[in-house]
Amino acid sequence: GGIITQTPKFLIGQEGQKLTLKCQQNFNHDTMYWYRQDSGKGLRLIYYSITENDLQKGDLSEGYDASREKKSSFSLTVTSAQKNEMAVFLCASSGGNTGQLYFGEGSKLTVL
Amino acid sequence: GQQVQQSPASLVLQEGENAELQCNFSTSLNSMQWFYQRPGGSLVSLFYNPSGTKHSGRLTSTTVIKERRSSLHISSSQTTDSGTYLCALERTNTNKVVFGTGTRLQVLP
Repeated sequence: GGIITQTPKFLIGQEGQKLTLKCQQNFNHDTMYWYRQDSGKGLRLIYYSITENDLQKGDLSEGYDASREKKSSFSLTVTSAQKNEMAVFLCASSGGNTGQLYFGEGSKLTVL
Repeated sequence: GQQVQQSPASLVLQEGENAELQCNFSTSLNSMQWFYQRPGGSLVSLFYNPSGTKHSGRLTSTTVIKERRSSLHISSSQTTDSGTYLCALERTNTNKVVFGTGTRLQVLP
């Protein structure tokens, strides 16, 4: 089996600040994803990456940057945090013979 | 428009009743998955089911690609089944996985 590790679990930032979330996976999966989940709502895709150094925009990419410098890691940057940014950010990966998605525990962002 | 629609948005059951959750999609797909999430919790994979029917305990997932729908059936519901159920599809010829808005289930004792 494998695991997806997201850091930090909790992130508190100031409005206008640039904030970065990190995700590591040891499944050796090719594809990685970042989703945003607002309280009581579904998941919206921000960015995904199908291989090292690849980036694909999701439905909610404005205001975010992403980076896939290694196969095992995928980072997400909030370029200028806003108070309505407060949400849980979820990282996932998929690969192998199936497209089954595996998730990390999430990173909760609070903007003061 | 919304590519993945789930219904109902919320559902309240008495313990022991059955539930049928629906996921309808407007795009062709490579795969369909169902997840469960407790409030404030992480996502737990229930089924990876691109087509056909799969069973796991009291849960059954059926995906009918031609009809662009997938369902999750919960039999003999228990209070511990309470939470949010999410479906997700991977669009054909992409690795893009999009989620429905979820069904919030509450099972009362």
